[in-house]
Amino acid sequence: NAGVTQTPKFRILKIGQSMTLQCTQDMNHNYMYWYRQDPGMGLKLIYYSVGAGITDKGEVPNGYNVSRSTTEDFPLRLELAAPSQTSVYFCASSSVGGGTYEQYFGPGTRLTVT
Amino acid sequence: GESVGLHLPTLSVQEGDNSIINCAYSNSASDYFIWYKQESGKGPQFIIDIRSNMDKRQGQRVTVLLNKTVKHLSLQIAATQPGDSAVYFCADLEYGNKLVFGAGTILRVKS
Repeated sequence: NAGVTQTPKFRILKIGQSMTLQCTQDMNHNYMYWYRQDPGMGLKLIYYSVGAGITDKGEVPNGYNVSRSTTEDFPLRLELAAPSQTSVYFCASSSVGGGTYEQYFGPGTRLTVT
Repeated sequence: GESVGLHLPTLSVQEGDNSIINCAYSNSASDYFIWYKQESGKGPQFIIDIRSNMDKRQGQRVTVLLNKTVKHLSLQIAATQPGDSAVYFCADLEYGNKLVFGAGTILRVKS
């Protein structure tokens, strides 16, 4: 299993540009999450999904959109990029049940908006 | 630009010593807690978890202690090694199976 994969690894955007961060998991997990991590800070939840076709906002959803058309994929869309969206973005997945709520994380996408 | 880890507390330990990393939580209704390790440039990795009906849980070289009275968690790492150098996060489970992460602690191991 590859686990959780994210593309791209790095990206530089100009203010106002748009992009999609890709996330795929091959563990058949029903839950998927997007976090952002600013320098020297913890992770903040942007959006999450409990299954295909179902998404919900996390703590910091403004400026982002998501979709979940399949179990495997959970892309994060940035419209009209702003410098405040400069961050490292992590995708995660989990399979709830069996007493554990462990989330498996991808390697991250480092985004700079200038 | 800002350095990674500028705002995080740092624990420096000598190689071979035991490390104790602390975490306070605010939600008295939380019944599940988890510790993650994040090495530089990588995503967080699961270390150990604990439910609120336990006070202590042990893994390989790690022990998590839970004190519900004062809403405090600690992660103990025995015989700390250079490979343990990382940022450590605690998280608790909230409604909707969402983990809420703390700010993190940097562990630096001196050889």
